[in-house]
Amino acid sequence: KNEVEQSPQNLTAQEGEFITINCSYSVGISALHWLQQHPGGGIVSLFMLSSGKKKHGRLIATINIQEKHSSLHITASHPRDSAVYICAVRSKGGNQFYFGTGTSLTVIP
Amino acid sequence: NAGVTQTPKFQVLKTGQSMTLQCAQDMNHEYMSWYRQDPGMGLRLIHYSVGAGITDQGEVPNGYNVSRSTTEDFPLRLLSAAPSQTSVYFCASSYSAGRQGIQYFGAGTRLSVL
Repeated sequence: KNEVEQSPQNLTAQEGEFITINCSYSVGISALHWLQQHPGGGIVSLFMLSSGKKKHGRLIATINIQEKHSSLHITASHPRDSAVYICAVRSKGGNQFYFGTGTSLTVIP
Repeated sequence: NAGVTQTPKFQVLKTGQSMTLQCAQDMNHEYMSWYRQDPGMGLRLIHYSVGAGITDQGEVPNGYNVSRSTTEDFPLRLLSAAPSQTSVYFCASSYSAGRQGIQYFGAGTRLSVL
């Protein structure tokens, strides 16, 4: 069973397009994380959310706790945004993290 | 700023060999964890620690041991490597188990077991 589901699995966009990546989860959570994995393999944390919305530059993350759903938006996409984006949740009351399989984004110039 | 340091970056083992993957952080983080990443699957938690002397199992602990004698270090031991343990391993840390905090990841160790 997958506690975290992401869609789409793969996404190709033209430079400048608005991009949305979706994440649904089935467990109670204390926080949701969005991560970016670069082509070289390194992983960096983009956002940690427990409610509402966060914005950092061209990236926006939202979460709806009642619907168990989060979205990551990229405005004015750029080729350097090409990476795998991973949704992860931290279980409520516990120390377990569950990860989605990632969305592979390619932005074409 | 070293952050989370993992060694080695690459390793090839023969079935049955043992080895230790090293992980160190210099941010005084309480929470440290080990994950494996396999093609087509999300990262999966192997073991984690909420502080020195305290460790617990994650989703896929079989075949792996950990210990946490200091806040800084969290080594992962493979006692008898198997081909099923071929994977990319990531160590991560965050500020606290109780308080929410973003995770910082090491660069990863690519392990092949022949």
